[in-house]
Amino acid sequence: GIQVEQSPPDLILQEGANSTLRCNFSDSVNNLQWFHQNPWGQLINLFYIPSGTKQNGRLSATTVATERYSLLYISSSQTTDSGVYFCAACPGGDFNKFYFGSGTKLNVKP
Amino acid sequence: ETGVTQTPRHLVMGMTNKKSLKCEQHLGHNAMYWYKQSAKKPLELMFVYNFKEQTENNSVPSRFSPECPNSSHLFLHLHTLQPEDSALYLCASSQDRTGPEQFFGPGTRLTVL
Repeated sequence: GIQVEQSPPDLILQEGANSTLRCNFSDSVNNLQWFHQNPWGQLINLFYIPSGTKQNGRLSATTVATERYSLLYISSSQTTDSGVYFCAACPGGDFNKFYFGSGTKLNVKP
Repeated sequence: ETGVTQTPRHLVMGMTNKKSLKCEQHLGHNAMYWYKQSAKKPLELMFVYNFKEQTENNSVPSRFSPECPNSSHLFLHLHTLQPEDSALYLCASSQDRTGPEQFFGPGTRLTVL
């Protein structure tokens, strides 16, 4: 399998601040997703982004597949952004065997 | 119901009990997955089913027995579990084995006494 590493492991922000979360992966991937896990355990899809850049409201993501990393940007953070952010990657040729990182735990304070 | 549903949401069982977790997807997908999320560990893929056929068993102990009667339903039968099996069990689905996106249910929080 591949190694998926996320940084930072923990992040505390004041409401309104911006942040960047990073996901590094050890081999080429054909599928990469970002998820937000809320306090009740539900994993919510944020982005499907094997390459390129996407934006959805205050969130955007960029994957540079050739350099084996992906970034998740959160702008103007809100308390509802709190939770754990995971990236998950599928190695090339293995379409649905996802490997998850350990997550970034985000706490946005009012 | 929409998306992926899981029942029960919480389960407490003894080591000698037999119980089953149920997952149902309402997205018209053909691939379904079981994941385990233990405290302080990344999500681990357990099983993959594609068009009702098991295509992945990630070295899961036989006390976990999956069943996929059709593309919309997935079960995880549990028997003689250990306390270390306590975890959040998550079900997911995708269009097919090529994905691309997986969608997750809310999970079943399992406690083994």
